[in-house]
Amino acid sequence: DGGITQSPKYLFRKEGQNVTLSCEQNLNHDAMYWYRQDPGQGLRLIYYSQIVNDFQKGDIAEGYSVSREKKESFPLTVTSAQKNPTAFYLCASSQVGSYEQYFGPGTRLTVT
Amino acid sequence: GQQVMQIPQYQHVQEGEDFTTYCNSSTTLSNIQWYKQRPGGHPVFLIQLVKSGEVKKQKRLTFQFGEAKKNSSLHITATQTTDVGTYFCAGGVGNFNKFYFGSGTKLNVKP
Repeated sequence: DGGITQSPKYLFRKEGQNVTLSCEQNLNHDAMYWYRQDPGQGLRLIYYSQIVNDFQKGDIAEGYSVSREKKESFPLTVTSAQKNPTAFYLCASSQVGSYEQYFGPGTRLTVT
Repeated sequence: GQQVMQIPQYQHVQEGEDFTTYCNSSTTLSNIQWYKQRPGGHPVFLIQLVKSGEVKKQKRLTFQFGEAKKNSSLHITATQTTDVGTYFCAGGVGNFNKFYFGSGTKLNVKP
């Protein structure tokens, strides 16, 4: 899967709980991304990071938080403030200056 | 805000027929990529286009980037059942590694 791992593949949580999704890459890529995909829809950007200790909000950052303490890791926390968290979450990475993104296998989050 | 529109949403074809999906951006793009996502899978990079009017081919797939760098298309000649999946375009703006994905075209190929 292009050297990007996401875990777990499926995640179930109760409403009101925060949950953290893992994303690790061994491609030595500088840039990392989190996308959300809802059924029958495209990918919407949540957060992205072009360098360690720096990240920017994407189009739908509300209710999510991230950190980028290491180049290889870009975990995403879905907080209880996210009103509709059930979705398929995809992490990706790319080399700065290259447009090709490598995607992880995704985490399917279900909140009930 | 920035939007990349993609049509059609669905396409059902008989094996051997051709298929085309189109992307249009509200603003000029610096680049565009195309991805394929198989059912239950994750997007896989197919190609990137950077130059105005650029055309690239990969076997039965032909990719075009419009002269104004606001639109792009992917054409598949003589579809096969292995072409089944959802095809996404992703437009880049400026020099930043930030991309706007189209909503995708889901292709179904009947044998």
